[in-house]
Amino acid sequence: GAGVSQSPSNKVTEKGKDVELRCDPISGHTALYWYRQRLGQGLEFLIYFQGNSAPDKSGLPSDRFSAERTGESVSTLTIQRTQQEDSAVYLCASSLIPRDGLHFGNGTRLTVT
Amino acid sequence: AQRVTQPEKLLSVFKGAPVELKCNYSYSGSPELFWYVQYSRQRLQLLLRHISRESIKGFTADLNKGETSFHLKKPFAQEEDSAMYYCALIYSNYKLTFGKGTLLTVNP
Repeated sequence: GAGVSQSPSNKVTEKGKDVELRCDPISGHTALYWYRQRLGQGLEFLIYFQGNSAPDKSGLPSDRFSAERTGESVSTLTIQRTQQEDSAVYLCASSLIPRDGLHFGNGTRLTVT
Repeated sequence: AQRVTQPEKLLSVFKGAPVELKCNYSYSGSPELFWYVQYSRQRLQLLLRHISRESIKGFTADLNKGETSFHLKKPFAQEEDSAMYYCALIYSNYKLTFGKGTLLTVNP
């Protein structure tokens, strides 16, 4: 039984570099979310996909952040020109019916040096 | 604006003692609330939903609309309950907003 899979699990990058984070949701889950969790903080909503469309991108903190989803499956979150404040754990979650609950991945820990 | 507040960052109890993790919400509509839990080195997972009125691992949570609260309770805490607990509110059918979490430690 595959759950939500995220890769890489850890990423260390230099300030100014671009990074791509990947999420493989549970098969058949049409809803997909990206959240960010900074150290000592709660989960911060970034973006929501329904199928391949993103009707809610309101949480993306700047235009350096973008995300896409293809085949109603894999999603990638791209951060361009990374800054130190981007350091966080990035969590992906998927669901068939969000009101029934979300299934989370293990997250990608991003460290920008 | 929708908001979830967990006033306690840390909560420590002894094994066998009752435990209550507090959650208050702010929402103008009809709320749907959840508790999520993250055990050490595991992923965040759903513990319970108020709408299903379940009891999971001995935990219960009652929605109190008058007090806008959804506190999580267990009458006798176990060491394996030690974890990070997040209260969450869903609105617009999809958008989940989380509290900042409470780290529960159950001491032997």
